[in-house]
Amino acid sequence: GDSVTQMEGPVTLSEEAFLTINCTYTATGYPSLFWYVQYPGEGLQLLLKATKADDKGSNKGFEATYRKETTSFHLEKGSVQVSDSAVYFCALSLSSNTGKLIFGQGTTLQVKP
Amino acid sequence: EAGVTQFPSHSVIEKGQTVTLRCDPISGHDNLYWYRRVMGKEIKFLLHFVKESKQDESGMPNNRFLAERTGGTYSTLKVQPAELEDSGVYFCASSQTRNTEAFFGQGTRLTVV
Repeated sequence: GDSVTQMEGPVTLSEEAFLTINCTYTATGYPSLFWYVQYPGEGLQLLLKATKADDKGSNKGFEATYRKETTSFHLEKGSVQVSDSAVYFCALSLSSNTGKLIFGQGTTLQVKP
Repeated sequence: EAGVTQFPSHSVIEKGQTVTLRCDPISGHDNLYWYRRVMGKEIKFLLHFVKESKQDESGMPNNRFLAERTGGTYSTLKVQPAELEDSGVYFCASSQTRNTEAFFGQGTRLTVV
């Protein structure tokens, strides 16, 4: 079935380190891909998205490129900050209904000063 | 503008009891979604309302769960009777149309003891 797999956490980094959180997917058709973030005590927020192959989503210094050949959508940031500490979820939607999402397990990121 | 609001933020109930979760979507959003995250696993889709109609309830786990959206405004999710495996975080999301961004609430953490 359709699914999303993320690297297991927690991921602990020092401030200004480079971040990669791996995400791969299995889907029929041509999904849209998303990264959501949940900061402590808050709801899920859309971080970035890509709707077709080779698209790059970017926001707040984070980037992810839709790679159809490797079915991946890895999240990267060049220099993390303490304020980036959160849980990150990779997700896909299979149709034009972008509210119906299939999520990965989530990856907890902790950034230490 | 108020975001998606969920009540209560936390609920602890005994096995066999009934609990009702409430979600107030963003005003004017016809689409409302319920999701659940159990024990740090992936967030799973439960169901989708368009106004007061259930568009897709393929993710509802069993008949102990009942979702309603009378009048097409707020929605409730009732669990009756609650079981231990129902513990988790229940998220609600809303969107203006099917293919626009879905905004999530903070979630309700349900603990069944």
